[in-house]
Amino acid sequence: EVQLVDSGGGLVQPGGSLRLSCAASGFSFSSYEMTWVRQAPEKGLEWVSYISPSGSTIYYADSVKGRFTISRDNAKNSLYLQMNSLRAEDTAVYYCARDPRGPDVWGQGTTVTVSS
Amino acid sequence: DVVMTQSPLSLPVTLGQPASISCRSSQSLVYSDGNTYLNWFQQRPGQSPRRLIYKVSNRDSGVPDRFSGSGSGTDFTLKISRVEAEDVAVYYCMQGTHWPGTFGQGTKVEIK
Repeated sequence: EVQLVDSGGGLVQPGGSLRLSCAASGFSFSSYEMTWVRQAPEKGLEWVSYISPSGSTIYYADSVKGRFTISRDNAKNSLYLQMNSLRAEDTAVYYCARDPRGPDVWGQGTTVTVSS
Repeated sequence: DVVMTQSPLSLPVTLGQPASISCRSSQSLVYSDGNTYLNWFQQRPGQSPRRLIYKVSNRDSGVPDRFSGSGSGTDFTLKISRVEAEDVAVYYCMQGTHWPGTFGQGTKVEIK
């Protein structure tokens, strides 16, 4: 079964850090572009970051540029999002997804809450 | 960024009746490879988004044929031929042609 499993969310104070993980299974992870998408409470969907199959090409939304770092370990079939200098407005459910041009597989989401 | 504008944002529908959602982009979604990366997603409460339609009109595996997508350039439509109770959800259009990918605001479909 093709699957993505998100983890690593939690409650963190403003200015703090978290590292999200996404474990892939059931497909050739190293062949796919991957992305992180987030959804603030009762809000719509927002692109966060993109990474190419090899990891050589990376993009970030302006709202997270300089604070978040996307990476992948193809040997471990895993995608990561290192989030630093977190702000209240980063509070959201974070989803990893496959194939950014038209995400066909999504993780179940992991909740990040930034609050003092 | 490309702005995706959906209408209506709320759509009360009688069971068995058709429903239609419009999505307009602020610029053409035709990519250099000739494809138009316009997708439609369904998100039920408490669930992850589920892709229904990709590249304008291609239905994903397992998606009922009452769902259809159409359009070109900057104007796109999702149609549900006969709404069923399980179709209650928020529907999003999304463009993957230009970075960053962008989503519409979402259309909430509910039963009248």
